[in-house]
Order: sequence, then C-alpha cells, then structure tokens
Amino acid sequence: DAKTTQPPSMDCAEGRAANLPCNHSTISGNEYVYWYRQIHSQGPQYIIHGLKNNETNEMASLIITEDRKSSTLILPHATLRDTAVYYCIVSPFYSGAGSYQLTFGKGTKLSVIP
Amino acid sequence: DTAVSQTPKYLVTQMGNDKSIKCEQNLGHDTMYWYKQDSKKFLKIMFSYNNKELIINETVPNRFSPKSPDKAHLNLHINSLELGDSAVYFCASSQAAGNYGYTFGSGTRLTVV
Repeated sequence: DAKTTQPPSMDCAEGRAANLPCNHSTISGNEYVYWYRQIHSQGPQYIIHGLKNNETNEMASLIITEDRKSSTLILPHATLRDTAVYYCIVSPFYSGAGSYQLTFGKGTKLSVIP
Repeated sequence: DTAVSQTPKYLVTQMGNDKSIKCEQNLGHDTMYWYKQDSKKFLKIMFSYNNKELIINETVPNRFSPKSPDKAHLNLHINSLELGDSAVYFCASSQAAGNYGYTFGSGTRLTVV
C-alpha cells in the first residue's frame, strides 16, 4: 500500500504556480520523497526527489517540512502540458540492487485551465 | 533515441493465445522492471531484474514469465491470455547503485478479446 496521501484532484490556472501537497507522516529516516507524473496515455515521468532539504530542478521545486511528514511539489508556471496525474512516493535511496519498489498510490489529477 | 522502448505499442489478441512484449533500454541501467496499470489506473510492480537476475516477483500468475537475455533487455511473455490480463504494461529501468529515479517506457496496451 502507498504510504502517502494526496488530494484526488486539483485545478490550476495556466501561468500560475501549481502547489501539490502530499502527506507522508510515517516516512522512515532512510526514505526519500519522490515525485512522478503521468500524462495521459504515457509512461510515468520522474520529476524530482529529496530527503529533507528543499530541492529545485528545471521542472519543479520540492518543499519538505522540517518534520518530513509532508511535502509540496511546486510547478512555478503551469502550462496546459502539465495536466497529468502527479504521484508522491516515499522510497529508500539505497537498497539491495534492484529491490527498490516504487509503490504508486492514486495520485493527484492536476488540470491546468486556460 | 528513445531511452526505454517497448514493442508493440498496441496488442489485441484472443483469449488463450500466447504473446510477448519486448523492452529495451539504452541508458546503461542495471535494473529493469515491469509494471501493470489496470483499468482503474493503479500502477503495480510485477517484476524487477538486476543484471539479468530476478529480484522482485510480486504475486503474479505463473502464466507471466519475464526473460532478461542481457541487462539492456527485459521481455515479458504471457501464456494462455485471459480477459483480466487486459491492461497497459510499462517497462522501466533504473540504476542499481542508488534510486536516482526510474525511466519508464511509453507502455503496451494489451486487449484480450
């Protein structure tokens, strides 16, 4: 079972920031927070991951609370192409080779509105 | 070049048939996976291979048999196809040394009629 809780859906106006929350209150000390998204009819796409510090890359920013029990994925300027299901996943970074098991929950369906 | 490629993209077949889905990655990753996404859109892992060795084998009917001829390829063979096997099957790969993120293929939509 997924160890994260996300709202089932969200809307965001095009050009505005999309803030997607995720609760992971049972996260372990060795687990990272990963975000993936799945655009309709495509395979999931890795976005970003972090342990406890905030992270930023060309796609998004990840804000993790100090107690690590929740996080927020930020798409700074949402476009129509960002419409997708966004998955928040907790998983160890180091594990036995090949034994990572990304467990996908239901995710948040983000709709970017013109 | 496509990083993780699956063939075919669509597969329609009759119940009872045997079919294969092929997956290849050109990322130099050590680990490959098969995931199944059912009609309710849940993504579930089926198998994980590391350097041609089976690591994860979730509760999957033994009609499903993965084959890894080398670490760049992981094929999925399905015997005696059933209606409930209809789903989208995704192949993925990752580095074994650390979870830097998975790269997924574009999926194979299997329809059993």
